[in-house]
Amino acid sequence: GAGVSQSPRYKVAKRGQDVALRCDPISGHVSLFWYQQALGQGPEFLTYFQNEAQLDKSGLPSDRFFAERPEGSVSTLKIQRTQQEDSAVYLCASSAYRDTYEQYFGPGTRLTVT
Amino acid sequence: GQNIDQPTEMTATEGAIVQINCTYQTSGFNGLFWYQQHAGEAPTFLSYNVLDGLEEKGRFSSFLSRSKGYSYLLLKELQMKDSASYLCAVWTNNAGNMLTFGGGTRLMVKP
Repeated sequence: GAGVSQSPRYKVAKRGQDVALRCDPISGHVSLFWYQQALGQGPEFLTYFQNEAQLDKSGLPSDRFFAERPEGSVSTLKIQRTQQEDSAVYLCASSAYRDTYEQYFGPGTRLTVT
Repeated sequence: GQNIDQPTEMTATEGAIVQINCTYQTSGFNGLFWYQQHAGEAPTFLSYNVLDGLEEKGRFSSFLSRSKGYSYLLLKELQMKDSASYLCAVWTNNAGNMLTFGGGTRLMVKP
């Protein structure tokens, strides 16, 4: 079956531009997570959805970062007025149930801010 | 807060055994994961430990000691394709089901 997909796979933005990153989780998965992974580092938690409800956004680094999942399936991570320190891979993961540990990761979107 | 430590890089020889250690300090511990991540690809699940002891799965084994805040991933009969980053991650119940990752260990397998 289809796994988690993300688009675009690569994005180059000029400093100050807004970007939108899309995540298509596995169909029917309740939970959805966004992580940020800097080069050579482990992923860091950004935000978590259970269906359409954003239950935790404690990892979002600033108010320039915004995530939504309006219908409880596809999610979009938006970054406004991008800065160079936003350059990273943005990973999306989904899991089937509210309390399951099995997170399935997408391939990520590599964002480069010039 | 959470603190997870693992070595940055390791090198091993094809056919050998390598042990990648991970120590953690966390609250609300629900379990510990190991993920494998090849360059430019998604992390893929290797193992999950919630009870103390060793879990064996083919060439890969993972060990957990909750009292010591310590885990290791053991890779046997190393193959060139095992060259990747290995991520230790702790699952906590403090907020949702988020995973807190260590920095990852980049393993290079040489012929």
